[in-house]
Amino acid sequence: DTGVSQNPRHKITKRGQNVTFRCDPISEHNRLYWYRQTLGQGPEFLTYFQNEAQLEKSRLLSDRFSAERPKGSFSTLEIQRTEQGDSAMYLCASSLGTGEDNQPQHFGDGTRLSIL
Amino acid sequence: DQQVKQNSPSLSVQEGRISILNCDYTNSMFDYFLWYKKYPAEGPTFLISISSIKDKNEDGRFTVFLNKSAKHLSLHIVPSQPGDSAVYFCAAKIPPGYGGSQGNLIFGKGTKLSVKP
Repeated sequence: DTGVSQNPRHKITKRGQNVTFRCDPISEHNRLYWYRQTLGQGPEFLTYFQNEAQLEKSRLLSDRFSAERPKGSFSTLEIQRTEQGDSAMYLCASSLGTGEDNQPQHFGDGTRLSIL
Repeated sequence: DQQVKQNSPSLSVQEGRISILNCDYTNSMFDYFLWYKKYPAEGPTFLISISSIKDKNEDGRFTVFLNKSAKHLSLHIVPSQPGDSAVYFCAAKIPPGYGGSQGNLIFGKGTKLSVKP
């Protein structure tokens, strides 16, 4: 399978705990994105990497959230001191592109986070 | 303020007929539009896209139409099949330099399509 891979698929944790999700993009894709989706809503953009550089962060990405893509391949999204409102599906996407060309983003199946 | 709107939460169509999913947007700077399909417990799957310099793009059973003057796009599925039953999301992108980036896709809330055999 050469698609975007996300692990774990489901994470249940107690409020206040830290969680970390991993995303492995399509191998030749240099761009990687994180989104969050809650029930009845479309995905909402969180952050974007081109290679290892984090080029944009949404206002939704509070100080408790941090994302990394250390070698320009896989990425991790960490949430510290989780809150009830963090319960959502966290989606990773990747695309191939340079400059201002438009290429579709391809999504993984997401990590569903449930905060008890 | 929602910039991409899908005003129909659901749509039911008979197998073999045409499905038309609609999307309205408010930001005239959007330069690229996409449609995604999402099954339960899966991530969104890319279907088809269109650049703002075009008014139609076709791929097999799927055609996307863009009406820039009306700030409206639609996805036509002909003929509809039961396997097309899913939630369909419209998404749009603002070009870099106009307040957007290569990262920021803005999604609608989705339309649930049911294709009945």
